[in-house]
Parts: sequence; structure tokens; C-alpha cells
Amino acid sequence: QKEVEQNSGPLSVPEGAIASLNCTYSDRGSQSFFWYRQYSGKSPELIMSIYSNGDKEDGRFTAQLNKASQYVSLLIRDSQPSDSATYLCAVNAGEYGNKLVFGAGTILRVKS
Amino acid sequence: ETGVTQTPRHLVMGMTNKKSLKCEQHLGHNAMYWYKQSAKKPLELMFVYSLEERVENNSVPSRFSPECPNSSHLFLHLHTLQPEDSALYLCASSQGRGRNTIYFGEGSWLTVV
Repeated sequence: QKEVEQNSGPLSVPEGAIASLNCTYSDRGSQSFFWYRQYSGKSPELIMSIYSNGDKEDGRFTAQLNKASQYVSLLIRDSQPSDSATYLCAVNAGEYGNKLVFGAGTILRVKS
Repeated sequence: ETGVTQTPRHLVMGMTNKKSLKCEQHLGHNAMYWYKQSAKKPLELMFVYSLEERVENNSVPSRFSPECPNSSHLFLHLHTLQPEDSALYLCASSQGRGRNTIYFGEGSWLTVV
């Protein structure tokens, strides 16, 4: 079983719609969860971090965490063409929580 | 600009060459990482250094040799690589362990011919 799983997509949404990206993880001991955005040919950039069950909102982005279900999601409201990218889910792991394990990423395409 | 600088940005090397990738972080962090990103594969963690001590080595072939002389600098020495080692190599840093947000450099594109 992969440690962090994401649907590879592509997920296509029209401009202005809500994009919903999902991620599951295998390590019940994980405490920190992150969403990164990666444009083609660029390095990943942090969008959101979440540590507690529930929702965390930052502008058009909402991260949701359910530790019991080992599930993390990212909602993007009012999607824009500039949101088109690969979204990487990352979960901390390791004995000291000192490394991040990444999913393969979901490709998001926002059509204008 | 993330505060993590990698050089060179692009590198083409033959299988018998020896080269090095360099990373410098200006964020005051005390942990540094090398990740490898190949086409259509998840980011793979290669090495973790915390306070200049290597704390993670994910079964990386010995043709990759990391060096961390201080908490701000990290190198990846490359020798006798294979074409399948062609990838984007990402350096990253974070402050401590646990709830550590990792910040990536721009990456070094490596092509082995």
C-alpha cells in the first residue's frame, strides 16, 4: 500500500467552480499534513498546512482533515485558470516526524 | 524566491563524469533535504540532515553522496550515474522536526547521457 495516495487526474473544472482534491494516507501516527502546488517545470510551493481535525481556510483554499478516516482534502473555490497545476499532498513521517512523504499528485485543469 | 538556492539549475553529464549539486538556505533552518522527482513518479526523499547529521538515507545508491558541512549548505556529489538518474533534484529545508513545513529550492535538472 502506498503511504500517500492521490487520484492522478486530470481533474477538469470550469472557471469559477469548486475544485475538490483528495488524499489518503496510511500512517495513523502522522500529525502534520500539507498541500503543495507545482506548476510545470517549477518546484513545489506550499499552499496549506493542517494539523487538527476539521477545516482550515485561507482565502479561496480550504483544507480538511479527518484523522479517523486518514483523509485530507483541499477545496479551491472560484477556481481560476491560474490554479491549473499539479497538487501534491504530503504527510509527515519518520521516527521524529522529520520527513515528508508525498503523493504522486493530482493534475488540475481549470477551463475558462 | 523561497530562501533556498540551488546551483546549477541545469546539468548535463556523461556517465563517467563527477559533478556536484549545491544548495544553500537563507532561512535559518536546521534541517535540509534532497528529494528526487522523476517523470510521473512521486517525490522521493533521498537524504535528510538535521543539525548537520544525516538522519535519513532512503536506500539511495552509493553513486549519490551527500555532504552537509553546516546547517546552511548541502551538497549532492554525483559520480558514475546512469541515464535513469536523469531527473529534477530538489533541495529543501525546514525548521526542526515535527510540524516542519518544508520549503523547496527551484531544483536542479539533471540529464545523464
